[in-house]
Amino acid sequence: NAGVTQTPKFQVLKTGQSMTLQCAQDMNHNSMYWYRQDPGMGLRLIYYSASEGTTDKGEVPNGYNVSRLNKREFSLRLESAAPSQTSVYFCASSSRTAEAFFGQGTRLTVV
Amino acid sequence: AQSVAQPEDQVNVAEGNPLTVKCTYSVSGNPYLFWYVQYPNRGLQFLLKYITGDNLVKGSYGFEAEFNKSQTSFHLKKPSALVSDSALYFCAVRDNQGGKLIFGQGTELSVKP
Repeated sequence: NAGVTQTPKFQVLKTGQSMTLQCAQDMNHNSMYWYRQDPGMGLRLIYYSASEGTTDKGEVPNGYNVSRLNKREFSLRLESAAPSQTSVYFCASSSRTAEAFFGQGTRLTVV
Repeated sequence: AQSVAQPEDQVNVAEGNPLTVKCTYSVSGNPYLFWYVQYPNRGLQFLLKYITGDNLVKGSYGFEAEFNKSQTSFHLKKPSALVSDSALYFCAVRDNQGGKLIFGQGTELSVKP
């Protein structure tokens, strides 16, 4: 049972490049989330999906887009990366009321 | 919009002493509350949750938390701290419509021998 799988684990981008972070869960959860973690800032919600076909902005959505491809997969896209997007990104999933399960994170550096 | 505050960036405790990590929240309606722990270079691990029922919730590794509706707080506690409890702790809240899960900024717990 893999839980929540994120790829890649590490990535270095040049300013202006684009990339997509992939996330998949095998727990049949309806809700999926993307967070970024920065020192002293905690985890900030980027986007949220309550179910397949729906997405909603979180606390820091600017510069990002998401796709809820199906119930299992929720991808995060950076169209034109900026140094301010250097961060550790976490994907998570949950059922409606229960705790969220997290992936191992993607460490992204934008130079 | 819901929010979570963890007023202490760092908590220092001697091994064997009780520990408390504070959390207050703001949410519409009844809250779903969670505590998570993060060890260095790792993902987040779930510790415990409050959904409904008894205000004192017991979780993993001997941790417990007390829900106080009047003070909108959900403080994490442990009667006797271990050095291995040293980590980053996050409080989180979700509204009872099953919506967004919002985290606090985290509290670094340091337990010294």
